[in-house]
Amino acid sequence: GNSVTQMEGPVTLSEEAFLTINCTYTATGYPSLFWYVQYPGEGLQLLLKATKADDKGSNKGFEATYRKETTSFHLEKGSVQVSDSAVYFCALSPQSGGSYIPTFGRGTSLIVHP
Amino acid sequence: DSGVTQTPKHLITATGQRVTLRCSPRSGDLSVYWYQQSLDQGLQFLIQYYNGEERAKGNILERFSAQQFPDLHSELNLSSLELGDSALYFCASSVDDNPRYEQYFGPGTRLTVT
Repeated sequence: GNSVTQMEGPVTLSEEAFLTINCTYTATGYPSLFWYVQYPGEGLQLLLKATKADDKGSNKGFEATYRKETTSFHLEKGSVQVSDSAVYFCALSPQSGGSYIPTFGRGTSLIVHP
Repeated sequence: DSGVTQTPKHLITATGQRVTLRCSPRSGDLSVYWYQQSLDQGLQFLIQYYNGEERAKGNILERFSAQQFPDLHSELNLSSLELGDSALYFCASSVDDNPRYEQYFGPGTRLTVT
């Protein structure tokens, strides 16, 4: 079956530091890949997505590139802010095979200190 | 605000009881997803409905059932509740039944089983 593996948190950074959260996946075919963010006490919201190999998703300074050869979709941001403190989920959605079941990683907590 | 509403926000009940969680999707969205989020299991996909029909089923227990009504709101019924059912339950909606499209998450219902 499909799976998503994220680096375990929490990731603790100082403001303006560089962020990388690793995400690798296992899936057949060419799934769509997503990063969702969950702020305390809220539901998940889409941060960015990529639907085919070599696509780069970007939003609010965050970026992730769909790497088919390494089955990865790592999230990066050049300079984090305290307001970026949240839980980040990597997810995939299959594109074929009749399976419509989305798969989420376990989430990575990010804590940014001033 | 994602446009997805969930009620109630909090629910406390005893083991063996039955509860119903309600979700209203964003205006225009035909697909509703239900998820369970717990500390030990992460975010687990339960079930998806599209325009009133069950579309995909994930790790949903037999004690749980769901339906989507003609007005597109959805209900998740949990019966014979156990302590381990305590979790956050999210619904999400999407314009289409293909999970390649962005999902909009509600704020969640926190269920506590005592």
